[in-house]
Amino acid sequence: AQSVTQPDIHITVSEGASLELRCNYSYGATPYLFWYVQSPGQGLQLLLKYFSGDTLVQGIKGFEAEFKRSQSSFNLRKPSVHWSDAAEYFCAVGPLTGNQFYFGTGTSLTVIP
Amino acid sequence: GAGVSQTPSNKVTEKGKYVELRCDPISGHTALYWYRQSLGQGPEFLIYFQGTGAADDSGLPNDRFFAVRPEGSVSTLKIQRTERGDSAVYLCASSLDSYNSPLHFGNGTRLTVT
Repeated sequence: AQSVTQPDIHITVSEGASLELRCNYSYGATPYLFWYVQSPGQGLQLLLKYFSGDTLVQGIKGFEAEFKRSQSSFNLRKPSVHWSDAAEYFCAVGPLTGNQFYFGTGTSLTVIP
Repeated sequence: GAGVSQTPSNKVTEKGKYVELRCDPISGHTALYWYRQSLGQGPEFLIYFQGTGAADDSGLPNDRFFAVRPEGSVSTLKIQRTERGDSAVYLCASSLDSYNSPLHFGNGTRLTVT
């Protein structure tokens, strides 16, 4: 069965520190992979996506993610976190059967001064 | 340009009542999705429209849930005989077509069933 796992429920980092959010997926073929960010009371905003080609993808707000087929991972990174990055981050896979996008349970990011 | 618009932003209803949640997608987007997000969870797929037809409704939890998109634009999610377990944020998303187009989400409707 297809699934997305985000092992870290909550992460706290200091402003200016580097960040890595983990995402692992289970799928029978190379999926389409996405990272979304959700601020409180807001909908999800696309940060970046991977379809094919270069396994290191750049997104908005200085984020990047690397697709590693051997590890079934698509981890999100940022070299220097800003206070405004505090939000909920969701990894997603899709579309799979019936055009369904599957989301992980999210990682909540807190940024301390 | 205008994004995906969902109304109302908040809805409180009593157990057993009927509710309708509205979604206005981005103009020109043919694909429309409904998701449900419970507290502390990621969005859970409910239904997908391509144009006017429901291409995949396998995520609807039971027959109390129904959605329409009669003219291929605005969609309405309808919940009959609401239960407390239906309380969640209902998210709508649209995309240009399907496979290679990412989702653009609205801000959601927070449904509370008392």
